[in-house]
Amino acid sequence: QKEVEQNSGPLSVPEGAIASLNCTYSDRGSQSFFWYRQYSGKSPELIMSIYSNGDKEDGRFTAQLNKASQYVSLLIRDSQPSDSATYLCAVNMGQAGTALIFGKGTTLSVSS
Amino acid sequence: DAGVTQSPTHLIKTRGQHVTLRCSPISGHKSVSWYQQVLGQGPQFIFQYYEKEERGRGNFPDRFSARQFPNYSSELNVNALLLGDSALYLCASSLGLEAYGYTFGSGTRLTVV
Repeated sequence: QKEVEQNSGPLSVPEGAIASLNCTYSDRGSQSFFWYRQYSGKSPELIMSIYSNGDKEDGRFTAQLNKASQYVSLLIRDSQPSDSATYLCAVNMGQAGTALIFGKGTTLSVSS
Repeated sequence: DAGVTQSPTHLIKTRGQHVTLRCSPISGHKSVSWYQQVLGQGPQFIFQYYEKEERGRGNFPDRFSARQFPNYSSELNVNALLLGDSALYLCASSLGLEAYGYTFGSGTRLTVV
């Protein structure tokens, strides 16, 4: 059973702090990794993708991938109340054309 | 450019009925995938279509079926609805079969009573 695991939270951080979200996956052959943000009642929105080991930065977001340890993380710097949402980790565990496997999501709450 | 459009936005059906959900991908995108999201869970893969052919199927019963049309729009059909089919059904659009991340539509909220 191919799985993606996330801590469901809620993760609570004060405004301006760094939020750290983590995700582990079961298939060592996984190739593509994504973070989606989902506001309550809305559909998921892609915020980061990462395909090779190391860090990838985009504005206040940094995705980190460690294939040897089979984990991927998302750091949000200078967290804002508007970042309060559920963050979904998704992994493509096969060759191109196969599905994304999603975790259950981590709920982030940023207090002002 | 229009994003991924899904219709209807909300739907209430009775157990045992049939439902058809529709999706139009982003212009130029040839792949459509369908996901089911139950409250409190992540989206779960149902189908992927590319160039009108089924390219992947998740662990869903045969009551679920789908097709893709020449204009790349897609329909998801669910027969003999169960209470457990109540969920947000998401359509995802991508250029091709690459796993570079989908663009999701706003979803169809299905309630089975």
